[in-house]
Amino acid sequence: DAGITQSPRHKVTETGTPVTLRCHQTENHRYMYWYRQDPGHGLRLIHYSYGVKDTDKGEVSDGYSVSRSKTEDFLLTLESATSSQTSVYFCAISEAGGNSPLHFGNGTRLTVT
Amino acid sequence: SQQGEEDPQALSIQEGENATMNCSYKTSINNLQWYRQNSGRGLVHLILIRSNEREKHSGRLRVTLDTSKKSSSLLITASRAADTASYFCAPFQGGSEKLVFGKGTKLTVNP
Repeated sequence: DAGITQSPRHKVTETGTPVTLRCHQTENHRYMYWYRQDPGHGLRLIHYSYGVKDTDKGEVSDGYSVSRSKTEDFLLTLESATSSQTSVYFCAISEAGGNSPLHFGNGTRLTVT
Repeated sequence: SQQGEEDPQALSIQEGENATMNCSYKTSINNLQWYRQNSGRGLVHLILIRSNEREKHSGRLRVTLDTSKKSSSLLITASRAADTASYFCAPFQGGSEKLVFGKGTKLTVNP
C-alpha cells in the first residue's frame, strides 16, 4: 500500500452524475492502471497509462475516461454514472509495466443509486 | 493481452496441508505473475516467473511454469489460516503493457 493512495475510499452517487476517482503515487512509476472488481468477474482492466498524457483502453473502457497530467496522478472519470458502474475500483502502479510487479491501492467502493 | 484461467475456483483445506492452484493461458508469454487478495483489500504481488524459468520459490510459496503446456501452478506449503485469500494469476504477453487477471481461486484454510 505504501506509495499509492486512492480517493475517495467510498462514494455514493446518483445515476447520471459525473464522478472522478483519484489515484496518487509517490513512487515515480511510469505505469498506472485502473481496474474494477465485481463478483463473478474478477478484476477487469479499464484504462492504463504508460506516461504523462499517454493512455490506452483496457477490456471495459466504455463509459470511462482517464487523464494523467502529471506522473503522480491518474484520474478516472465516469462522465454520467450508471448503476452498472457500481463496483470496487482499484488503481495499480508499476515501474516497468507488465515486466514488473503491480502495486495496488486499497480500492474505492463506488455505489451508483 | 490475455487472461489466465485459475483452477479450481474454490479450495478448502485444513491448516498444515498444502494448497495447489493452477493457471492456464493461451499464447506465449514474457512472464506470469501471481497475486493474493485478502477480503476487501488490493492485490498483493507474490511471485513473477519469467518464460525462461521453470520454478521459483519465495518462503512457503513455490511457483512452476510449463510453457509447453501453457500452465503454471502455485503451491503453498504448510498452509495457515492467514493464507485464506483469493489468488490470481496474470500471464504477461508483451506487445502492450496491459496486465489482465482471471477470476481467481478462493482459498479457505480452516484452523
